[in-house]
Amino acid sequence: NAGVTQTPKFQVLKTGQSMTLQCAQDMNHNSMYWYRQDPGMGLRLIYYSASEGTTDKGEVPNGYNVSRLNKREFSLRLESAAPSQTSVYFCASRSLGGKETQYFGPGTRLLVL
Amino acid sequence: QQQVKQSPQSLIVQKGGIPIINCAYENTAFDYFPWYQQFPGKGPALLIAIRPDVSEKKEGRFTISFNKSAKQFSLHIMDSQPGDSATYFCAATFNYQLIWGAGTKLIIKP
Repeated sequence: NAGVTQTPKFQVLKTGQSMTLQCAQDMNHNSMYWYRQDPGMGLRLIYYSASEGTTDKGEVPNGYNVSRLNKREFSLRLESAAPSQTSVYFCASRSLGGKETQYFGPGTRLLVL
Repeated sequence: QQQVKQSPQSLIVQKGGIPIINCAYENTAFDYFPWYQQFPGKGPALLIAIRPDVSEKKEGRFTISFNKSAKQFSLHIMDSQPGDSATYFCAATFNYQLIWGAGTKLIIKP
């Protein structure tokens, strides 16, 4: 049981390049999330998927797209990277029930030059 | 309306002391209030959580105090240890989303 996995761990892009961040969970959770974390700003929600087949914008969706490929996988795409997208990106999945919890992956550190 | 305001931004406490981190919210539709702990280079992990029909919850050395009328909640860490040094986030649940505070960087000095 790996929990939430993310690839790559670290990436350097040039302005204008595109890339896809991959996320997978093996906990059979319905809901999945993409966040970015910048110093002093906590976590900001980019997109989320309440269930397979649905996606919704979060607080900061501009410049990003997502795909909920199946129940396990939720990818984040940067079509044309900008220096303002330099950040640490976290994927999470959510369990419901008595102790509602978001489980986070290890993060992807992205540097856009 | 959707914000969760967290303070202080940083906190230094001697070992054995009781750090207190405070959060405030406006939206009365929030129905779940978790605290997450994050160590450097790692993703956040759930520490403890409370629902608004409860005024206090304890798990080990960690306690949440919840004041529904004031729309405030706080985290207390009893007998703090250097291993508790981390960034702590409060949050509140609305619909499918977690609304996060900005985080408190806690340092426990030996």
